[in-house]
Amino acid sequence: DIQLTQSPSSLSASVGDRVTITCRASQSISSYLSWYQQKPGKAPKLLLYATSTLQSGVPSRFSGSGSGTDFTLTISSLQAGDFATYYCQQSYRTPPTFGGGTRVEIK
Amino acid sequence: QVLLQESGPGLVKPSGTLSLTCAVSGDSINTINWWAWVRQPPGKGLEWIGEVYHTGSTIYNPSLKRRITISVDKSKSQFSLNLRSVTAADTAVYYCARKSFYYDTTGHPSAQAFDSWGQGTLVTVSS
Repeated sequence: DIQLTQSPSSLSASVGDRVTITCRASQSISSYLSWYQQKPGKAPKLLLYATSTLQSGVPSRFSGSGSGTDFTLTISSLQAGDFATYYCQQSYRTPPTFGGGTRVEIK
Repeated sequence: QVLLQESGPGLVKPSGTLSLTCAVSGDSINTINWWAWVRQPPGKGLEWIGEVYHTGSTIYNPSLKRRITISVDKSKSQFSLNLRSVTAADTAVYYCARKSFYYDTTGHPSAQAFDSWGQGTLVTVSS
């Protein structure tokens, strides 16, 4: 299975901050990476697919980049509703796998 | 807008079978999408269980393959999960989800992603 390692596992930030989360794959996954946001007690929500394509309805402050094994999710200006846990997920090989998550907390 | 709704027992005894159903509305189950199950143990990350196509074709996580069956009932627009010989380690929130395919500007496949999810149902394995 392809392992995805996210860093950091948690971070504290303030509203308005720029936040960057990284996801590293154990082997090349081309651009087959998606990002999800999950709030407590809720299902994950798809934010981006194909590394950098915003899902419909997702604010443009979210962006993604990378290819091969190293990827990043950036929130350009953190908003109150962005405090959540974020997961990366690869669809390059079966089984699809998820990173361990990054919890974004209020500073 | 597609809606997915999980249903099934919230408590299953050890060594028993966990059975869940996901009702799909707002989208035909007879599309190019696949229909998946994903679980999340309390306080932990996400694990893909497997998925089914409307033809009945399935793909399973090798780590669970011996114990799971996923099936589809097109007439009821629903798909189901059976997980046998459960233990406490199978305690989790179980989500059903739609897997969609995406293509680049040249028409080549560029991604697959779980773009719609049910709200999830907690299943506890305990005697």
